[in-house]
Amino acid sequence: SQTIHQWPATLVQPVGSPLSLECTVEGTSNPNLYWYRQAAGRGLQLLFYSVGIGQISSEVPQNLSASRPQDRQFILSSKKLLLSDSGFYLCAWSPRGGAYNSPLHFGNGTRLTVT
Amino acid sequence: GIQVEQSPPDLILQEGANSTLRCNFSDSVNNLQWFHQNPWGQLINLFYIPSGTKQNGRLSATTVATERYSLLYISSSQTTDSGVYFCAASMNTGFQKLVFGTGTRLLVSP
Repeated sequence: SQTIHQWPATLVQPVGSPLSLECTVEGTSNPNLYWYRQAAGRGLQLLFYSVGIGQISSEVPQNLSASRPQDRQFILSSKKLLLSDSGFYLCAWSPRGGAYNSPLHFGNGTRLTVT
Repeated sequence: GIQVEQSPPDLILQEGANSTLRCNFSDSVNNLQWFHQNPWGQLINLFYIPSGTKQNGRLSATTVATERYSLLYISSSQTTDSGVYFCAASMNTGFQKLVFGTGTRLLVSP
C-alpha cells in the first residue's frame, strides 16, 4: 500500500531563517505531488504541484519554493521566513495515470510557527 | 476559477443524529472529493465522487454534476465524526488542481 511521510510535525523558526520541509511517498511510482497551506484552521490553498522530477508549477507568488530531486521526494523551502509564512503545510500525492480524476491523499502536515 | 461553497459552516449534533452537508460549485467539474480533517489536523480522503452516489459505512455522498452540487450524509453520528469536512473540486480542463471550500466544522457531543 502507498504511504506518505512528512516531517517535521511541528517547527518554530525565527523570522529571516531558512526553511526546509520534506515529503516522501512510498509504494507508488511517478506520483503527482502537491504542497498545500492551511491558515487559521480553514481553507487549503494549493502552493505547488509537480508531475515529475524537476518539474514544478507554482500557483501563487510567495516567499516559498519547491523542488523535486527524486521521483517520490518533494521539498518545500524558503531562504528567509516571514511572519506571514506561519501555517499548516500539507504534502499530498495522487496517482499519475489519472491526472484529471484521481483521489488525493495527504500527509500528516507540518505546523510552522514563525516568531 | 472555480468557486466552491460549503454549508453549513458549523454544525453541532447529538450522538446518534443524522446530518447532511452541502457543497456547491460554480462550474463544470470532473473531480469532486470529500475530506475529513480530524482535531489533530490529519486530512483523510472520504470520497472521490465527480458524479453519482457512493456509500462507505455510515457515510454516503451524492454528486449531481448537472446541478453543480454534492451532498455528504452522515448517519448515526459518533463523537469520532467530529472535525472539519472539506469539499474540493477541479474543472474539466487542465491538470488536477483541487479548489477547497472553507469547510463545515462538525461537533458531535455524547
